[in-house]
Amino acid sequence: GESVGLHLPTLSVQEGDNSIINCAYSNSASDYFIWYKQESGKGPQFIIDIRSNMDKRQGQRVTVLLNKTVKHLSLQIAATQPGDSAVYFCAEGAPSGTYKYIFGTGTRLKVLA
Amino acid sequence: KAGVTQTPRYLIKTRGQQVTLSCSPISGHRSVSWYQQTPGQGLQFLFEYFSETQRNKGNFPGRFSGRQFSNSRSEMNVSTLELGDSALYLCASSPTGRTGSEKLFFGSGTQLSVL
Repeated sequence: GESVGLHLPTLSVQEGDNSIINCAYSNSASDYFIWYKQESGKGPQFIIDIRSNMDKRQGQRVTVLLNKTVKHLSLQIAATQPGDSAVYFCAEGAPSGTYKYIFGTGTRLKVLA
Repeated sequence: KAGVTQTPRYLIKTRGQQVTLSCSPISGHRSVSWYQQTPGQGLQFLFEYFSETQRNKGNFPGRFSGRQFSNSRSEMNVSTLELGDSALYLCASSPTGRTGSEKLFFGSGTQLSVL
């Protein structure tokens, strides 16, 4: 069935290190992808997005990489901070006309002091 | 600009009851989507509304329904509640709902517990 999956359910990193969160998507026709961060008790917050005509996009301390050949998405967080501790979701914009996004199950990022 | 507002924040119901959740989108956003989030699961799409019309519905039973008003505010209703309906219900809005170019803005959700 349709799915956007994550390879690692929990990722623990040392404060100051870089974090990489991975995601596989299923629909090769999808052309828009988003990473969200969800802290406890809150709704998902937008981090960064990327369109399929790009393979890399950078934000503040975050970089998203898109590999359309293998349908893989990753989120890199530089110099991980305690405030980065949260669950991270990738979302795939389903084909035009469906008006929905397909979300992965999420990866919990734990930052160790 | 105010964000997406969901009410109530928490709800406790018993099996068999019904519940109505409310969502006010960001001003100017006409697309409102609802997602169910359960522990260990991703966000599951419930439905999407635009200009008072449901444009898509996820794989949920008919007990789950929704509507959108002319001011873009939306409600979702769950009838004959079951224990498995316990979840965080998230509302999201975007300008037009174009999944190829628009990001969703989420509310904080309504945490529903069914006893």
